[in-house]
Amino acid sequence: DVKVTQSSRYLVKRTGEKVFLECVQDMDHENMFWYRQDPGLGLRLIYFSYDVKMKEKGDIPEGYSVSREKKERFSLILESASTNQTSMYLCASGPPGNQPQHFGDGTRLSIL
Amino acid sequence: ILNVEQSPQSLHVQEGDSTNFTCSFPSSNFYALHWYRWETAKSPEALFVMTLNGDEKKKGRISATLNTKEGYSYLYIKGSQPEDSATYLCALHTGTASKLTFGTGTRLQVTL
Repeated sequence: DVKVTQSSRYLVKRTGEKVFLECVQDMDHENMFWYRQDPGLGLRLIYFSYDVKMKEKGDIPEGYSVSREKKERFSLILESASTNQTSMYLCASGPPGNQPQHFGDGTRLSIL
Repeated sequence: ILNVEQSPQSLHVQEGDSTNFTCSFPSSNFYALHWYRWETAKSPEALFVMTLNGDEKKKGRISATLNTKEGYSYLYIKGSQPEDSATYLCALHTGTASKLTFGTGTRLQVTL
């Protein structure tokens, strides 16, 4: 079975902190994605990566950056956390083409 | 940003009822349509990937149909069970780098 592991289920940080969310997948997938889930808004794509060291902006990249130094790991970085970044963050991976994505369990991040 | 809509937003049925919900999308952007089930405290799980107009897919008591010309897909659950309680997400794949645009989901609650 594909396993997508997110480093934390719950995280509490303070405004202005630099926050790292880590995601690791074990199926050698080329594509990796970061989403956030907010009530009434559905899953929104923040960034995605289709190869090591490659990244593309999603629909809501502002305030975030990403890093993909190794194929299995995709990190989401909140450069200076703000309260409006309090959300559920989901990582996903998938092969190229028209295949389903595989999701992690999510990180519920609170910025105080 | 593409507009993928799901209705109803939430649904409450009794055990044994059959139910269905709708996903609508801009037909001009269609490449594939994904359905996912997201149970509370778990990760979203892929149900179907649909690509052909008129396609019908089935997994146990759950089935889905697709109309790419008019831009909608239906998800049906026959004889709902409490374990079907979840949020059902559809996502449009436009063929661009495996990106998905998600709807806001239909939250289904099945009671005894």
